[in-house]
This record gives sequence, structure tokens and C-alpha cells, in this order.
Amino acid sequence: KNQVEQSPQSLIILEGKNCTLQCNYTVSPFSNLRWYKQDTGRGPVSLTIMTFSENTKSNGRYTATLDADTKQSSLHITASQLSDSASYICVVRHGSGNTGKLIFGQGTTLQVKP
Amino acid sequence: NAGVTQTPKFQVLKTGQSMTLQCAQDMNHNSMYWYRQDPGMGLRLIYYSASEGTTDKGEVPNGYNVSRLNKREFSLRLESAAPSQTSVYFCASSIQGVTDTQYFGPGTRLTVL
Repeated sequence: KNQVEQSPQSLIILEGKNCTLQCNYTVSPFSNLRWYKQDTGRGPVSLTIMTFSENTKSNGRYTATLDADTKQSSLHITASQLSDSASYICVVRHGSGNTGKLIFGQGTTLQVKP
Repeated sequence: NAGVTQTPKFQVLKTGQSMTLQCAQDMNHNSMYWYRQDPGMGLRLIYYSASEGTTDKGEVPNGYNVSRLNKREFSLRLESAAPSQTSVYFCASSIQGVTDTQYFGPGTRLTVL
């Protein structure tokens, strides 16, 4: 069954600290993987997209990694800020061409405290 | 550019009532989507429209209908609302299909009593 599992479900860290969010997937065939950030009461916003051949991609203080062999991805947040408090959603694209399907993880809720 | 807009932002319905959720995008995107988001679950696709004039069922289409009114607008209709349809509904759009990044609206929070 095509699934995307994220851990932890929720996380609380102090401002300035780093954290890492995990995403494990069983989607096949794999096309790409995205991380979205969803602020409370808002729609998700894309942070990064990673294809099969990419291991690491950065977007400011956000760094995503992908291990296609173990079917794992992580999102590392450096020097966290209060504005990083949000849900982070891992989304894996299943299939190929324009008819593929998106499989959404349930999200990790991050709270950054001062 | 406003991006993807949705109306209303909040709605309370009684069981059996009907309503239409409106969505519009000003990015000239071909593809549009409707999702629902429930606590502890990932976003689930209700219906999508790959291009103007076409609509297809997603993962959870029962109890919903859609209309792709034109390239900009994609509406979601609940004909006879049920408490199980209490959820947050998101509209999204992309240039063409799931290859491209999806841009989401702010959501509609619907409660069915």
C-alpha cells in the first residue's frame, strides 16, 4: 500500500535550536518528494522538491535530504525562529507522467518557544 | 496577484443542507484540486480538474460534486451535508497536473451539525 508516515507527530523546541523531521514512504513507483509548510489557519506552501537523483536540497534555513534506497527523507531546520511554528507535510508523488498521484503524510506539528 | 482565493472562510450547516464552496485562481493555471483535511490525517483529494472542461474523482468523492466553471474557477458542492463532512477544505491549483507545484488557498472551515 502506498503510504507516507511522518515522525514525530509533534515537537516543541526552543528558539535558536535545530530540529529534524522525518518522513518514511512506501510509495512505488516514486517520482518526487515535496515538503510543505502549513501555518495555522493557512494553506500549505511548498518548501522544497526532491527528485530521485537528489540527496540534499536547501532553502534558507531548511535543508531536505532524500535516501531513495531506504525510502526516507528528512527536513532539518537550523537556528529555529518563532515563525517556524507550523505543520510540516511530506508529500510523495506516485507514478509518472502527468497522471501521477500525490500521497500526503499526516504532518509534524512544530512549536518553537521563546 | 491574489493567488488562490476561497469563499467562505467559515460555514456552519445543519445536516441535510446544501452549499457551494467557491475557489478562484489568477495564475493562469490549468489544473485545480479540492482537498479535505481532517485532524491526524493527511490531505485527501476529493476531486480534481486537469484542465478546463474536465473533472475527475479523487480519493474521497462521495457526497460531493464539482464544476469547473472556467479556467479560473472551480467550485465544490455539498448537496446534502452530513456531520462526516465536517472538515477544512482546501482548493489548490498547478500549472499542469501533479508534475508542478500546487498552490493552496487559505481554506474553508466547515462544520455540519
